Amino acid sequence: EVQLVESGGGLVQPGGSLKLSCAASGFTFSDHYMDWVRQAPGKGLEWVGRTRDKSNGYTTEYAASVKGRFTISREESKKSLYMQMNSLKTEDTAVYYCVRMHKRGMDVWGQGTTVTVSS
Amino acid sequence: DIQLTQSPSFLSASVGDRVTITCRASQGISSSLAWYQQKPGKAPKLLIYSASTLQSGVPSRFSGSGSGTEFTLTISSLQPEDFATYYCQQLNSYPITFGQGARLEIK
Repeated sequence: EVQLVESGGGLVQPGGSLKLSCAASGFTFSDHYMDWVRQAPGKGLEWVGRTRDKSNGYTTEYAASVKGRFTISREESKKSLYMQMNSLKTEDTAVYYCVRMHKRGMDVWGQGTTVTVSS
Repeated sequence: DIQLTQSPSFLSASVGDRVTITCRASQGISSSLAWYQQKPGKAPKLLIYSASTLQSGVPSRFSGSGSGTEFTLTISSLQPEDFATYYCQQLNSYPITFGQGARLEIK
């Protein structure tokens, strides 16, 4: 079964750091772009960033709102995606989804992990 | 950044109705548009990609059309499980952006 399972969310103070993880299973992880998408409480979906596949050198892209603060990485041997989040702000409070890109759509989503930034 | 504007943002319809949601892009995106369905407390689900290609396993009552700046998602005959929020998404250029969502409720 193709599956993505996020972990690492929690409560953190403004200015703090958190690292999210996403464990992939059931597919060839290195063949896919992998993204993070977030959703603030009661709000719409916001793309956070991406790491490309092996053939594209695992390069990354970020939304302007997180560039310089968040870093996306992947570990092929563990079939895992990560996102290091630094200098967190209250507006980063959201459910964070790990997502697989396939063809021209995001076809597999994790269940989400909740990040709350509050003092 | 490319802005996507969905209309309507909210609609009320009955089981069996035909429903159309429009997504307009602030600049041309060719056919690089996807549609998602999200139910409360759940992750989004891919319905349509490349503007008109039905994702595997998605019922054929869902269809998408359009290119350039105007796109539509049509549900031909609403079923009870279709009441949800729908989002369009452009993948033509970075940053990837989503529409604000269209909430479909039971009349």
